[in-house]
Amino acid sequence: DVKVTQSSRYLVKRTGEKVFLECVQDMDHENMFWYRQDPGLGLRLIYFSYDVKMKEKGDIPEGYSVSREKKERFSLILESASTNQTSMYLCATQLGVRYGYTFGSGTRLTVV
Amino acid sequence: EDKVVQSPLSLVVHEGDTVTLNCSYEVTNFRSLLWYKQEKKAPTFLFMLTSSGIEKKSGRLSSILDKKELSSILNITATQTGDSAIYLCAVEAEGGSEKLVFGKGTKLTVNP
Repeated sequence: DVKVTQSSRYLVKRTGEKVFLECVQDMDHENMFWYRQDPGLGLRLIYFSYDVKMKEKGDIPEGYSVSREKKERFSLILESASTNQTSMYLCATQLGVRYGYTFGSGTRLTVV
Repeated sequence: EDKVVQSPLSLVVHEGDTVTLNCSYEVTNFRSLLWYKQEKKAPTFLFMLTSSGIEKKSGRLSSILDKKELSSILNITATQTGDSAIYLCAVEAEGGSEKLVFGKGTKLTVNP
């Protein structure tokens, strides 16, 4: 089974801090995604990547950036954390279009 | 084992047709059902249906959840070529993000 590991389960950060959320997969999946999940809003796509050094904006990229220097690692960066970025952040991988997703266990980020 | 089954797997229609996509599920402790549209590389969120919100509509798209039949339909009226995509259904269960189960999708092709 594919394993997707997110570095932290819970994080508490202060407003204005730079925050790094890491996601590592142990299979050769091409596609990797960062979502945030908020009550009543479902999953919303922040950024995705379909190859090393490739990235594309999703639905809500504002306030975020990403890095994919190696195929197995996809990092989400909050340049200057704000309280409205308090959320559950989910990383997912996908072998290719029409294949199922594998999600990480999520990082619950609280910005105070 | 939790599962989500979508039908048909693929569908070809002409512009202006109305289509109905189906999603059935078996999941322990159902929380919500989500529909996504995937073009090219990444899915984008369409609707989330829960026990308190079993019908959603946005423009030409609408969706209904039937909790008794453990299923949902996604309707698209007056289809356009831009509706061509893979439509994914996912079911979220109580217990966290690791319980998000996706169906394999319905590939819709709308010909001019």
